[in-house]
Amino acid sequence: EAQVTQNPRYLITVTGKKLTVTCSQNMNHEYMSWYRQDPGLGLRQIYYSMNVEVTDKGDVPEGYKVSRKEKRNFPLILESPSPNQTSLYFCASSATGALVAQYFGPGTRLLVL
Amino acid sequence: AQSVTQLGSHVSVSEGALVLLRCNYSSSVPPYLFWYVQYPNQGLQLLLKYTTGATLVKGINGFEAEFKKSETSFHLTKPSAHMSDAAEYFCAVSDRNTDKLIFGTGTRLQVFP
Repeated sequence: EAQVTQNPRYLITVTGKKLTVTCSQNMNHEYMSWYRQDPGLGLRQIYYSMNVEVTDKGDVPEGYKVSRKEKRNFPLILESPSPNQTSLYFCASSATGALVAQYFGPGTRLLVL
Repeated sequence: AQSVTQLGSHVSVSEGALVLLRCNYSSSVPPYLFWYVQYPNQGLQLLLKYTTGATLVKGINGFEAEFKKSETSFHLTKPSAHMSDAAEYFCAVSDRNTDKLIFGTGTRLQVFP
């Protein structure tokens, strides 16, 4: 089954404790992206990757890091989480970019205390 | 810069009634336009998109949208609502140069029996 998986689905952590949210796709997609969803703000792009070893900032990259060492994986790293990073995070992938259908993961709900 | 406005954060309709979700955009170049749907506790999935050609676009689950350049609108409609249509709907716009999507803030659709 074609899918984007994210782990963990739910996470409660404390300020400053490094964490990683994993994202994996099995569709051999070139493009992967991370979004955060906040009430009243819709989805905002954090980082995206057009291909292996190629990443670029989205609209809200501050406080986040990513890496793309393999085509299928695109982890999101929060080196020192803060409460304003409490949000619902989605990973997405597509064959070529944001202008074709993106396939979204189920989401990771993060609470930073 | 592109932007998108969804009028009405919540829309309620009765089962069988017309669904109309409004989306207006601003773009300095001909846009690509999208509607995504998010069912409870799931990621987003593509409903339909407009790139070029026919301005009336048909999507999944009986939804359609019409691109009206003179009104800078891309409203989503469905003639007869079903209980299973209850979800959050996101309009998104991009231009052909940046390969980035800008999402609206979303409209939550409730369907009453």
